Amino acid sequence: GDSVIQMQGQVTLSENDFLFINCTYSTTGYPTLFWYVQYSGEGPQLLLQVTTANNKGSSRGFEATYDKGTTSFHLQKTSVQEIDSAVYYCAMSSGTGGYKVVFGSGTRLLVSP
Amino acid sequence: GPKVLQIPSHQIIDMGQMVTLNCDPVSNHLYFYWYKQILGQQMEFLVNFYNGKVMEKSKLFKDQFSVERPDGSYFTLKIQPTALEDSAVYFCASSPGDNYAEQFFGPGTRLTVL
Repeated sequence: GDSVIQMQGQVTLSENDFLFINCTYSTTGYPTLFWYVQYSGEGPQLLLQVTTANNKGSSRGFEATYDKGTTSFHLQKTSVQEIDSAVYYCAMSSGTGGYKVVFGSGTRLLVSP
Repeated sequence: GPKVLQIPSHQIIDMGQMVTLNCDPVSNHLYFYWYKQILGQQMEFLVNFYNGKVMEKSKLFKDQFSVERPDGSYFTLKIQPTALEDSAVYFCASSPGDNYAEQFFGPGTRLTVL
């Protein structure tokens, strides 16, 4: 079945540092890949969606791309801020069975001022 | 932006009791979902629902679980009877028919089974 692997459990940075989070995916379908962000006490909210390999999605200073050859996708931001502290989930939908989303295990980003 | 509401935010019940978790999805959305997140673990898909029917359910969606959306009101997840391992945060999500990919999540209901 579909799966998403997110290895980095926690990332600790200082303000203005560069952020890079990577995930790998596995599917027999045609994936749409997402990054969701979850702030404390809230549900996840969509940050970025990437539907085409090697195309970039961008939002709020974050960028995401995916590589079909290595079945990997990543999230990056050039200069993080303290308000970016949250849990970031990579996720995938393969468009089968009602379009469920399969989530990675999440990366907790802590940004210190 | 569009909001999904969940009621209650926290529910504590004794093992073996029945519980109903309520979700008020974004109006005009057509697809509805429940996800389960045990503390410290990843969010996992339970079930999705469209046009009055379950479309897909995962292995986590045990026989004790059921979902419905009577007359277009709340989308509910019922667990009867509850077990200790049902303790988790349950997230509801909905998505519009014209862009299945973007799901809007509620803030979650924390269920504690004693």
